[in-house]
Amino acid sequence: EVQLVESGGGLVQPGGSLRLSCAASGFTLSRYWMHWVRQVPGKGLVWVSRINTDGRSTNYADSVKGRFTFSRDNDKNTLYLQMNSLRAEDTAIYYCARDPGGGNWNSPFDYWGQGTLVTVSS
Amino acid sequence: SYILTQPPSVSVAPGETARITCGGPNIGSKSVHWNQQKPGQAPVLVIYYDSDRPSGIPERFSGSNSGNTATLTITRVEAGDEADYFCQLWDSNSDDYVFGSGTKLTVL
Repeated sequence: EVQLVESGGGLVQPGGSLRLSCAASGFTLSRYWMHWVRQVPGKGLVWVSRINTDGRSTNYADSVKGRFTFSRDNDKNTLYLQMNSLRAEDTAIYYCARDPGGGNWNSPFDYWGQGTLVTVSS
Repeated sequence: SYILTQPPSVSVAPGETARITCGGPNIGSKSVHWNQQKPGQAPVLVIYYDSDRPSGIPERFSGSNSGNTATLTITRVEAGDEADYFCQLWDSNSDDYVFGSGTKLTVL
């Protein structure tokens, strides 16, 4: 069974940092591109970042570019999202999601984790 | 960037057919995916590449995409289908993954 389990969320002050993790199981992580998507509770979904299979290629939404870093450790079956210079508008539930497309930009997100809540507030 | 427009809400009686639309300029030329999200839960993919259905998703769920509108159709609606539904695509012009604002399906 495919499972994605996020952790690391919490309350952080504006300007602070947080590192999210996403533990993958039930499939071979190294074969899949992966994404982070966030959602303000009660609002819509917003794509944050993607990473290719070996971690050498990453892309980011303009709103987080230069502040967030997406990385992966395929040996540990874990993804990471390092979030720096956090702002109030980064407050959201952060989901990791699997991309079955093998580099096809048009592919869907076929499995999602349960999410971890990040709250940026003083 | 590319904007996807969804109605905020759709209401149907049990056993009826629900149609949820997702509008965008020439969306028919793009690949559209649909996700279902129940309160407090992670999204679940219900339709991909316009009309394909993942394993485990009932045949009652179907999709179409043409012109400026993609549509998710749920036949013989059940109480358990009550959820938010988001359309999603990748916009090549902005290299951005775009989601619709979501439609809340209410089963009367």
